[in-house]
Amino acid sequence: DADVTQTPRNRITKTGKRIMLECSQTKGHDRMYWYRQDPGLGLRLIYYSFDVKDINKGEISDGYSVSRQAQAKFSLSLESAIPNQTALYFCATSDLHSGSITGELFFGEGSRLTVL
Amino acid sequence: AQSVTQLGSHVSVSEGALVLLRCNYSSSVPPYLFWYVQYPNQGLQLLLKYTSAATLVKGINGFEAEFKKSETSFHLTKPSAHMSDAAEYFCAVSDTRGSQGNLIFGKGTKLSVKP
Repeated sequence: DADVTQTPRNRITKTGKRIMLECSQTKGHDRMYWYRQDPGLGLRLIYYSFDVKDINKGEISDGYSVSRQAQAKFSLSLESAIPNQTALYFCATSDLHSGSITGELFFGEGSRLTVL
Repeated sequence: AQSVTQLGSHVSVSEGALVLLRCNYSSSVPPYLFWYVQYPNQGLQLLLKYTSAATLVKGINGFEAEFKKSETSFHLTKPSAHMSDAAEYFCAVSDTRGSQGNLIFGKGTKLSVKP
């Protein structure tokens, strides 16, 4: 089983619908992240969380919200999806102690979202 | 603020040829630098990282990168390309040292390997 699991892996939805992407991890890491990947733009940080009570906006948080339900779970919501939110979304984790030194991230396999 | 620039969105090499993927960084503090690889339909995985120890860093699958402060570069190389190296490669820099560091990614370079 993957250490960082994202569901769903693929989703097609319509403009205006509410969408939730879920991420769970078995690595025991404190930090969790949501990134968005668009062709030619690389990865951009949406939100990150350093522990259950800590949520921070990233570079492109508008139109998104997150919930850290437990140390192992971090979900991303699109309250009213729009077509330019069509992208590949990645959840990632890092460990507080090693992460504070190296910043290494461990990624899920991605959730491909299409908004029509 | 930290940033990375990857020169060339697409690089094509022949099997057995040298692979060179370029990354330049901007950082106001000594950086931590990373190369990640993304194979088709997969997430990113770490190839190698520079954390201020040796300037020549060896990673997985025969890749290595050299940190050159004077050139603000961290180019990725492999002496002999394999077909299995075809993937997208991302350079990244840690935005600050210490506990608040997040990774800033470049836009990626897609590597194609011709038979």
